[in-house]
Amino acid sequence: SQQGEEDPQALSIQEGENATMNCSYKTSINNLQWYRQNSGRGLVHLILIRSNEREKHSGRLRVTLDTSKKSSSLLITASRAADTASYFCATGRGSTLGRLYFGRGTQLTVWP
Amino acid sequence: GAGVSQSPSNKVTEKGKDVELRCDPISGHTALYWYRQSLGQGLEFLIYFQGNSAPDKSGLPSDRFSAERTGGSVSTLTIQRTQQEDSAVYLCASSFIAGETNEQFFGPGTRLTVL
Repeated sequence: SQQGEEDPQALSIQEGENATMNCSYKTSINNLQWYRQNSGRGLVHLILIRSNEREKHSGRLRVTLDTSKKSSSLLITASRAADTASYFCATGRGSTLGRLYFGRGTQLTVWP
Repeated sequence: GAGVSQSPSNKVTEKGKDVELRCDPISGHTALYWYRQSLGQGLEFLIYFQGNSAPDKSGLPSDRFSAERTGGSVSTLTIQRTQQEDSAVYLCASSFIAGETNEQFFGPGTRLTVL
């Protein structure tokens, strides 16, 4: 079963603009991860944020986590055409060691 | 190896045939995961291995699906009597050890088409 829901389902922006994607989840979590997928193939891990963290940065990525609202956001600043991909959030639960629950993803298109 | 590899990259089969999908994890990674992704959908967990044991196989959709891992390395996912609804991309991932804080490294996937 899927845990998270990302929105929007699709996002189209121009190069240089910021892209914000949101993820909501249903149950308590220990951490939340964001992954990127190009062309429907393998996923690449972007960032992990723990439940006791509120914000985390990695290069042009900024992730926030609000456990009271059961939501997270991924911000990509100064987007590039190469950022075009699908972005998924994934959550882990302590009771299911190792298993990640993925949302349906946001398809981001960055136009040059 | 340098990354997770999967074979074949594409597989077209007829309904009712059996297929075997292979995953070769990153050397030294003890945990291995199988996921399935249907068109436009998120990833659906199938099974994971810690070493050669499968502590969680609850995601396997039916008894036509099975997986094994030998020598703590290569894993095969077998689908018997394939059905059209089995068509999807099957993704394998590995991590150093099973744990939700451990980054999972994904292979390129096997695209299965059942005619």
